[in-house]
Amino acid sequence: QVQLVQSGAGVKKPGASVRVSCQASGYTFTDYYIHWVRQAPGQGLEWMGWINPNNGGTIYAQKFQGTFTISRDTSIRTVYMDLTRLKSDDTAVYYCARRTSSGRTFDFWGQGTLVTVSS
Amino acid sequence: QSALTQPASVSGPLGQAITISCTGSSSDVGGYKYVSWYQHHPGKVPKVIIYEVTNRPSGVSNRFSGSKSGNTASLTISGLQAEDEADYYCSSFTTSSTYVFGTGTKVSVL
Repeated sequence: QVQLVQSGAGVKKPGASVRVSCQASGYTFTDYYIHWVRQAPGQGLEWMGWINPNNGGTIYAQKFQGTFTISRDTSIRTVYMDLTRLKSDDTAVYYCARRTSSGRTFDFWGQGTLVTVSS
Repeated sequence: QSALTQPASVSGPLGQAITISCTGSSSDVGGYKYVSWYQHHPGKVPKVIIYEVTNRPSGVSNRFSGSKSGNTASLTISGLQAEDEADYYCSSFTTSSTYVFGTGTKVSVL
């Protein structure tokens, strides 16, 4: 069955960087784009960007350009998100999600990873 | 890209129907058929309940239905049940191949 398993993160200090991993299984890794979405405490879902695992192509929300990078390692079916120059308002649960090719919807999600930015 | 506009909360009695609106622009909701709706229970993972404006994934109750008119998409939940209490988010594909979520709507069952 399709699974996206996330790992990484925890508590980080302001100005630091964080990496969260998203390992996929149960489907052909290169056939589906992976997106990153976050939810700050008490806030709504916020789309951050996507990667095409087939060729590594990426697109980011304008808000995150310059501090946010998505990459992948096809040999281990893993997508990474890196967020630099962390601020307190980057405290959030970060999700990876698989996008269907036809409906362009997010059909499977990782379990979510809490990143807390605190001094 | 600004978030799509949804009402902060909608409520209704058991068994009734409610509708949640999602207003964007011609650059997102109005310009594409790729509007989805997600149900999100706190502490759980979001779940897609509608995609491509009107389509339900396999296993999703037919009490959920979607529509769109111009720049506004809508989600209707009919026969409201206790387990429908959750946050609901719309999402749309946009120009520049990006995506945007709605502001979210908290549904309460009276």
